[in-house]
Amino acid sequence: GQNIDQPTEMTATEGAIVQINCTYQTSGFNGLFWYQQHAGEAPTFLSYNVLDGLEEKGRFSSFLSRSKGYSYLLLKELQMKDSASYLCAVMDSNYQLIWGAGTKLIIKP
Amino acid sequence: SQTIHQWPATLVQPVGSPLSLECTVEGTSNPNLYWYRQAAGRGLQLLFYSVGIGQISSEVPQNLSASRPQDRQFILSSKKLLLSDSGFYLCAWSATGVENSPLHFGNGTRLTVT
Repeated sequence: GQNIDQPTEMTATEGAIVQINCTYQTSGFNGLFWYQQHAGEAPTFLSYNVLDGLEEKGRFSSFLSRSKGYSYLLLKELQMKDSASYLCAVMDSNYQLIWGAGTKLIIKP
Repeated sequence: SQTIHQWPATLVQPVGSPLSLECTVEGTSNPNLYWYRQAAGRGLQLLFYSVGIGQISSEVPQNLSASRPQDRQFILSSKKLLLSDSGFYLCAWSATGVENSPLHFGNGTRLTVT
């Protein structure tokens, strides 16, 4: 079967750095997406990785290792507004998205 | 720029009543359209997707149905709601012909079946 694993919840301090991991087992691979979802709102697109390595977008970076079936989202200089759930999704060989359950990130002052 | 509208934002319906949720996209042509449901603490569950007018693929057998009467309109329906239909329903679109196009979501409809 296809599976995406993420930690259920993480806590971090304002101004710090946090890394949210995602491991996957899917039928083929055509890219990995990260989304941010604030409570009660819709997910919004953060990043896309299809090749190994690090993609940086301001305070957010996303890393991919296809051989390890592993990705992480790195958030720097955490702000209170970063409190949200972060969803990892993998596009399989049929270009269907397989979604993780999301990681709830709690930021403390 | 492209925008997606979904309504209503919240809905409380009794068991056995019908349902109609509507979604429209502006600023793009022939988008791929999706209906997802999100249960609390769980991942997004794909219900239906459409690659064109009248073309609907169902991912999960259930008492819900979808229709695409116009290029940029996607409707989720039910004839008789069940308690288990409660959840957060999300409409989304992605660009046609771009295989790694991200999904762009509407604001969602929180449905409570009582």
